[in-house]
Amino acid sequence: NAGVTQTPKFQVLKTGQSMTLQCAQDMNHEYMSWYRQDPGMGLRLIHYSVGAGITDQGEVPNGYNVSRSTTEDFPLRLLSAAPSQTSVYFCASSRSPGRGNTEAFFGQGTRLTVV
Amino acid sequence: AQSVSQHNHHVILSEAASLELGCNYSYGGTVNLFWYVQYPGQHLQLLLKYFSGDPLVKGIKGFEAEFIKSKFSFNLRKPSVQWSDTAEYFCAVSTDNQGGKLIFGQGTELSVKP
Repeated sequence: NAGVTQTPKFQVLKTGQSMTLQCAQDMNHEYMSWYRQDPGMGLRLIHYSVGAGITDQGEVPNGYNVSRSTTEDFPLRLLSAAPSQTSVYFCASSRSPGRGNTEAFFGQGTRLTVV
Repeated sequence: AQSVSQHNHHVILSEAASLELGCNYSYGGTVNLFWYVQYPGQHLQLLLKYFSGDPLVKGIKGFEAEFIKSKFSFNLRKPSVQWSDTAEYFCAVSTDNQGGKLIFGQGTELSVKP
C-alpha cells in the first residue's frame, strides 16, 4: 500500500536550474495538490488539480508549473530555481471534493535546497 | 479569504501534563476541520477530523478536539502528554466550495520533556 510517493527525497539545485518533483498516488484519488512548508508559515498551497487535465493555482504559484495528464501523477516543475524556493515540498491527494471526502494523504516530502 | 490561526508557536510541557492547542479559522460557511501531526523528519499524518455531527471528536493516540462553531474554534486536547508526542501540530480547514483545498495554520511545535 504505497499511498502517495514523492521523488526525490532530497535535492540541491543551483540558481537558475530547472527540475521536476515527482508525485504519484495509487488510491485513485481525483484531487491532488502541492504544498511548500517553511518555518513559522505552516503549509502553503502552490498548485492543485481536481482531475486529469485540470489544474489551478494556489496561494504561492509563482515560479512553479504543474500538469495532470493522468489520475496517478502530478509533477511539479521549477522553471528557474531561486534561493527563495528552498523549502520542503509535500504532495497530497484526496477523493473528490464533497462533504466528508476531503481527508488528504501526504507524501514523505522533498527537501529542496537552492544555492 | 479563509485563514487559520494557531495561537501557540512553541509549547514546552513535562510528561503527564495536559495539552491544549488553540486553532481559530475565519470562514462563515460550512467547514471541514482537521488536525495533522508531523513527527521529526516525517510527513504529515492525520490526527483527527470533523465533518459534521458530534462536535467533540476523538482521534488517534488519545487526542481529541472540540468544534465550537460560535467561536470559530477547533482546539486540540490531550489529558496527559508523553515524550513521544513531541512533534509539530497543524490545524487545517477546507470548505465544500473550495474543491478540497486545505488551508493550514502556522503550526505549533510541541516539546515534551521526559
